[in-house]
Amino acid sequence: SQQGEEDPQALSIQEGENATMNCSYKTSINNLQWYRQNSGRGLVHLILIRSNEREKHSGRLRVTLDTSKKSSSLLITASRAADTASYFCATWMETSGSRLTFGEGTQLTVNP
Amino acid sequence: EAGVAQSPRYKIIEKRQSVAFWCNPISGHATLYWYQQILGQGPKLLIQFQNNGVVDDSQLPKDRFSAERLKGVDSTLKIQPAKLEDSAVYLCASRPRPFGEAFFGQGTRLTVV
Repeated sequence: SQQGEEDPQALSIQEGENATMNCSYKTSINNLQWYRQNSGRGLVHLILIRSNEREKHSGRLRVTLDTSKKSSSLLITASRAADTASYFCATWMETSGSRLTFGEGTQLTVNP
Repeated sequence: EAGVAQSPRYKIIEKRQSVAFWCNPISGHATLYWYQQILGQGPKLLIQFQNNGVVDDSQLPKDRFSAERLKGVDSTLKIQPAKLEDSAVYLCASRPRPFGEAFFGQGTRLTVV
């Protein structure tokens, strides 16, 4: 079964609004990563947060991690039409050490 | 830095035919992955190589799928014979260090008719 599960499955917002996506996972992790996938393209790494970190920023992205709840959120501020894509969380599990496991993704649509 | 290269970009085959995909990872990346992504789902790991050795192939349908990484550089993934449910995007990725980010190729979109 997938380690990470995102919600919502789909999100539609207007340009300029903020978008928040959530990810839950099941086992202890070394780190959690967020990736973006534009339609018909490969995945692009956005940000990595380690299990001992609680919050991380990168440009318009803000990621939080709550290891007690086994959950993470990705916030995209001041969204743009170009942010339209699928967003996936992925986890490195402590036990496996090297398997990067993806969730099912959130499809974000930013309307101009 | 050149990215992960995959070919072909698209492939259409009939069921029961065979198909092969090729991947050239980023130079110096010892770890290589093949993922299968069915439309509307997240990528699912098929196989992981460390140099030219298999680290994890627990989710590879070995009765029809095979993969190799000769000389620890590029890799091929083969399906023989293909089934309709193999229609998906096959993504190759490589990683430079443990627990770090993975770099993905553009993928090969396979349609089995």
